[in-house]
Amino acid sequence: QKEVEQDPGPLSVPEGAIVSLNCTYSNSAFQYFMWYRQYSRKGPELLMYTYSSGNKEDGRFTAQVDKSSKYISLFIRDSQPSDSATYLCAMRGGRDSGYSTLTFGKGTMLLVSP
Amino acid sequence: DGGITQSPKYLFRKEGQNVTLSCEQNLNHDAMYWYRQDPGQGLRLIYYSQIVNDFQKGDIAEGYSVSREKKESFPLTVTSAQKNPTAFYLCASSKTSGSYNEQFFGPGTRLTVL
Repeated sequence: QKEVEQDPGPLSVPEGAIVSLNCTYSNSAFQYFMWYRQYSRKGPELLMYTYSSGNKEDGRFTAQVDKSSKYISLFIRDSQPSDSATYLCAMRGGRDSGYSTLTFGKGTMLLVSP
Repeated sequence: DGGITQSPKYLFRKEGQNVTLSCEQNLNHDAMYWYRQDPGQGLRLIYYSQIVNDFQKGDIAEGYSVSREKKESFPLTVTSAQKNPTAFYLCASSKTSGSYNEQFFGPGTRLTVL
């Protein structure tokens, strides 16, 4: 079992839809959880991060972490064609694991059609 | 403008040749990282450096070498020992590698072996 599992998609939705992107993980030491957006042939950019369990909202984006289920989600409301990109989840351990380096999921390609 | 620059954007190499990818940052970050991304794959860590004149192997360091002589620069050499070097290479930096610190990514270098 890989440490981080993420469905590669593609996920195709119409403009205005609510999008749900998810990752599962196996390492209980992970404490910091991130979502990166990567446009084609570009470097990733950080969208959201959360520490431990809980929700975090930023505009149309909401990140959720459920450590008991080892499951994280990114919700995009009112999706736009400009949201079409690959979304990568990433996570790392905390102080107890020596602040391990980031482990990435494979990314989910999202296509939002006008 | 602060940021990370990578050069060249595209690089072609003949089999058996070593090539060096450049990564420079003016963010005054202590930590720098090199990742490799293959189609449909997440980012895999090659090498990282937390301080000048020190670096550690990541998950896939074989066939690669790095140096960190200056805080701003972290070049990656892809040697002829790397069996399958064609990939998209991403450089990143962060303030430190401890606690949570956002990793900022460069635009990437696409290496193709002919």
